[in-house]
Amino acid sequence: NAGVTQTPKFRILKIGQSMTLQCTQDMNHNYMYWYRQDPGMGLKLIYYSVGAGITDKGEVPNGYNVSRSTTEDFPLRLELAAPSQTSVYFCASSYSTARAATNEKLFFGSGTQLSVL
Amino acid sequence: KNEVEQSPQNLTAQEGEFITINCSYSVGISALHWLQQHPGGGIVSLFMLSSGKKKHGRLIATINIQEKHSSLHITASHPRDSAVYICAVPSGGGADGLTFGKGTHLIIQP
Repeated sequence: NAGVTQTPKFRILKIGQSMTLQCTQDMNHNYMYWYRQDPGMGLKLIYYSVGAGITDKGEVPNGYNVSRSTTEDFPLRLELAAPSQTSVYFCASSYSTARAATNEKLFFGSGTQLSVL
Repeated sequence: KNEVEQSPQNLTAQEGEFITINCSYSVGISALHWLQQHPGGGIVSLFMLSSGKKKHGRLIATINIQEKHSSLHITASHPRDSAVYICAVPSGGGADGLTFGKGTHLIIQP
């Protein structure tokens, strides 16, 4: 059982370049999330999805786009990369909403360390 | 939007000591998560709790909904417990997803 698979693990971009961070899960989870983690700060929600075809903005969506064409995949697109997007990115998934008492666990990918120079 | 405060930010202890990490939040919630981030960066979910107490091995998590406070305890601490421990609560404001604390960096010395 692979869980949440995130690629790539590391990437260096030049200012203005674009890239897609891939995230796939094999647990048939409806809920998927993208977070970024900056040094000394808590993870911040970029975008989330409650099911295929449904996405919504989180706390820090500017400069990013997402899509959810299948239950398994939730790619994060960076357009026109900026130094402020240097961060560690985590994809996560869960069976039900993170707000619900019925949700026992979140599953995280291994992270992508992105530098924009 | 829910705000999360964790204490202490850093904690160094000797092997075998009883460890307590605290988490306070500002808005009433239905669920609180405790997570562990390994030195390599990977994040693992430890507990989700909505009331009372949960125990898994040497880890115990408690929550007081009225006081908006949760604690994570580690009994008989071991160097392999060294990690960052993160508390997270529902963000509120209509968005799904969580608001995370900044984490408690725990080092257990042999």
